[in-house]
Amino acid sequence: EVVLTQSPGTLSLSPGERATLSCRSSQSLSSKYFGWYQQKPGQAPRLLIYGASNRATGIPDRFSGSGSGTDFTLTISRLEPEDFAVYYCQQYGSSPPVSFGQGTRLEIK
Amino acid sequence: EVRLVESGGGLVKPGGSLRLSCAASGFTFSRYTMNWVRQAPGKGLEWVSSINSAGGDIHYADSGKGRFTISRDNANDSLFLQMSRLRVEDTAVYYCARRVEGNYDFWGRGILVTVSS
Repeated sequence: EVVLTQSPGTLSLSPGERATLSCRSSQSLSSKYFGWYQQKPGQAPRLLIYGASNRATGIPDRFSGSGSGTDFTLTISRLEPEDFAVYYCQQYGSSPPVSFGQGTRLEIK
Repeated sequence: EVRLVESGGGLVKPGGSLRLSCAASGFTFSRYTMNWVRQAPGKGLEWVSSINSAGGDIHYADSGKGRFTISRDNANDSLFLQMSRLRVEDTAVYYCARRVEGNYDFWGRGILVTVSS
């Protein structure tokens, strides 16, 4: 079973700062099927990054994804007030077919 | 505009059944693999089930195997999740989501299912 572990659990930063969120897999993954999501309270998740490094439609270029194998990173270059939310990583393909990380809460410092 | 609208949620007693529906519009529904993903109150996301475009390739998370049945009606652009023998731990917001390659590019707003006596 593939387990995705996100770190840190909570990240406290100020607007304008750089955020680096990590997702580590218990098994090597295909980058093609790795993604990142943002979720705000009371809303559905929104796809930010697909294929590990591709921005989804309408996602600002301050969001970037990188990584391969077992280590993946979501970077937000300069935090805007609307970026404070919970972020999830997700993989498809390995058993179970789909799994999500437990989430990183990005909060205003 | 792509839209996914869930319905059919509500309060049900442990051991009961519920059928969720997801009405799709704004895209060619029959071409996409569709999924259900749930989120327990205050918790993270949990994949529940998937069904491919033709309905012949179906998968379930262990938590729902033998109790949940996913299906689709391509003629009416609809996705379903029949849930039986419901447990308190099935309480969650259930999202309908479209999958492209390995990721979910569109999600519904979700529907709350509460299992409680």
